[in-house]
Amino acid sequence: SQQGEEDPQALSIQEGENATMNCSYKTSINNLQWYRQNSGRGLVHLILIRSNEREKHSGRLRVTLDTSKKSSSLLITASRAADTASYFCATDNTDKLIFGTGTRLQVFP
Amino acid sequence: DAGVIQSPRHEVTEMGQEVTLRCKPISGHDYLFWYRQTMMRGLELLIYFNNNVPIDDSGMPEDRFSAKMPNASFSTLKIQPSEPRDSAVYFCASSLPSGSHNEQFFGPGTRLTVL
Repeated sequence: SQQGEEDPQALSIQEGENATMNCSYKTSINNLQWYRQNSGRGLVHLILIRSNEREKHSGRLRVTLDTSKKSSSLLITASRAADTASYFCATDNTDKLIFGTGTRLQVFP
Repeated sequence: DAGVIQSPRHEVTEMGQEVTLRCKPISGHDYLFWYRQTMMRGLELLIYFNNNVPIDDSGMPEDRFSAKMPNASFSTLKIQPSEPRDSAVYFCASSLPSGSHNEQFFGPGTRLTVL
């Protein structure tokens, strides 16, 4: 069964707006990763946040982690049409990752 | 490096036929993962290998599915006999040592359609 559940399932915004996606998980983790998937392509790693970190930045991406609530959020600032994709959180379980259900983001120009 | 290579990119077959999907991981990566993605079930881990040895195949749906990794640069996922419900996109991914503590690199996937 999938450990991560993402919210919302789908999100539509205008270029320039910020997009926030949330991920909830069930068990304790060592780290949480976010991946992006363009239509018809494989997943691409975006960012990893460790369980002892609360916030991490990478370019226009900001990830937060609240281990007490077992949740994480991904914020994309100043979105672009090219950000249109599905975004997945993934939590570690020994050597493997458990992926969430994903959020489909549509950014309109 | 060319990244993770998968073949074929698309496969259309008839129910009952054998299907073999192939994957070449990134050189130097010693973890290899096979996933299946469908609209209904999302992304599911089928099996993963470490140093060519299968570690966890609990995600393999049935005995009709089998996977091998004869060497560090090649893995196959075989479905025999195939059924329409096996239609999905199958991804292979690889990662460096330390497993999930490092990012996984995904191939482009094989879109399988079983008629």
